[in-house]
Amino acid sequence: GESVGLHLPTLSVQEGDNSIINCAYSNSASDYFIWYKQESGKGPQFIIDIRSNMDKRQGQRVTVLLNKTVKHLSLQIAATQPGDSAVYFCAERGGSNYKLTFGKGTLLTVNP
Amino acid sequence: DAGVIQSPRHEVTEMGQEVTLRCKPISGHDYLFWYRQTMMRGLELLIYFNNNVPIDDSGMPEDRFSAKMPNASFSTLKIQPSEPRDSAVYFCASRSVGAGEQYFGPGTRLTVT
Repeated sequence: GESVGLHLPTLSVQEGDNSIINCAYSNSASDYFIWYKQESGKGPQFIIDIRSNMDKRQGQRVTVLLNKTVKHLSLQIAATQPGDSAVYFCAERGGSNYKLTFGKGTLLTVNP
Repeated sequence: DAGVIQSPRHEVTEMGQEVTLRCKPISGHDYLFWYRQTMMRGLELLIYFNNNVPIDDSGMPEDRFSAKMPNASFSTLKIQPSEPRDSAVYFCASRSVGAGEQYFGPGTRLTVT
């Protein structure tokens, strides 16, 4: 079946820098995408989502960009802080079912 | 709201024993999902319910796994008999109708020896 994958398994940045986490998806029928943050020992925490009729959505310090032409999703974190250190997952929902397919995750490490 | 509640947080059991994991979704949420997370396979959907009815159980690995949702505020995932390869973190998540995002519980870390 189709799956969601990540380009980079690990990302290390300096505190205060901007971070960009990338995700490739393969299901052209996916209509909804979501980013989760998972800290060690905790469940995934919702960050931001975007529907396929949009190409950009902004939250507090985070921006999600969607490029349907190349089936690419990215999460931008502005002014990265040590508390942003975690594994970040992208997920897609393909069509009318409510199932999310998760990528393998990217470990973000923020150095003080 | 307290969020999604799962119990126990940690479970250690011997191979062959029955294991029951419990979940209380967020009040008012109509959908409940059970996931399994391992290093090798990542986060996998096992089964999900809508209004207490199982909708898709295609992710349940074997007949040893079963899930129930007797009412809107409680669900169980049972493994009988358990095997070492069932060791993983099991998450429960819920969402409301019309919303896209799912809210996850803290997970149950299962170790089968």
